Amino acid sequence: DAGVTQSPTHLIKTRGQQVTLRCSPKSGHDTVSWYQQALGQGPQFIFQYYEEEERQRGNFPDRFSGHQFPNYSSELNVNALLLGDSALYLCASSHGQGAPGANVLTFGAGSRLTVL
Amino acid sequence: QKEVEQDPGPLSVPEGAIVSLNCTYSNSAFQYFMWYRQYSRKGPELLMYTYSSGNKEDGRFTAQVDKSSKYISLFIRDSQPSDSATYLCAMSTAGNNRKLIWGLGTSLAVNP
Repeated sequence: DAGVTQSPTHLIKTRGQQVTLRCSPKSGHDTVSWYQQALGQGPQFIFQYYEEEERQRGNFPDRFSGHQFPNYSSELNVNALLLGDSALYLCASSHGQGAPGANVLTFGAGSRLTVL
Repeated sequence: QKEVEQDPGPLSVPEGAIVSLNCTYSNSAFQYFMWYRQYSRKGPELLMYTYSSGNKEDGRFTAQVDKSSKYISLFIRDSQPSDSATYLCAMSTAGNNRKLIWGLGTSLAVNP
């Protein structure tokens, strides 16, 4: 049973460019959350998708946007990249909204973005 | 004041030691408490999950929640070099629009 898969694993961009990161959730999961993790920091919540809609959002600017597809996979898009966007971007999937299991996140290995 | 406080360490212990990791929080509405372990260059993985107060034990790991003190702990007995990782606490309220609030993580090194 495949867990959460993310692509690409590493990428390098320059300031001002745009990036798209992709995530396939664990089988049976319907909710996808995205996190940004800077070096030495805990994960910072970006947003969560359920039923193809953004359900919650953290304190991130509109440059960060996302999408969820009918098969529950998801994309994170970041426009007008800044140096400070360099981080590990983690995708986590879970099942159900409101059930106790909604807190049980399965994470992917992340996409490490470097902005030069 | 952050909602969740966690000492980032680093913490270095000899193999076989008992390790105590802690988080404090300020939001009395938190009901769900979790510990995640993150190895280098990997995503976090759920280690322990507790609802409300009390203790939970799983092998060498014990999670404790003291809601009156707004304090949670993770104990690792007979620590092994393979336990070397960053340990993140996370917690949330109940309800449909819950958000996980994370600590910074504590870096642990278990030396053989």
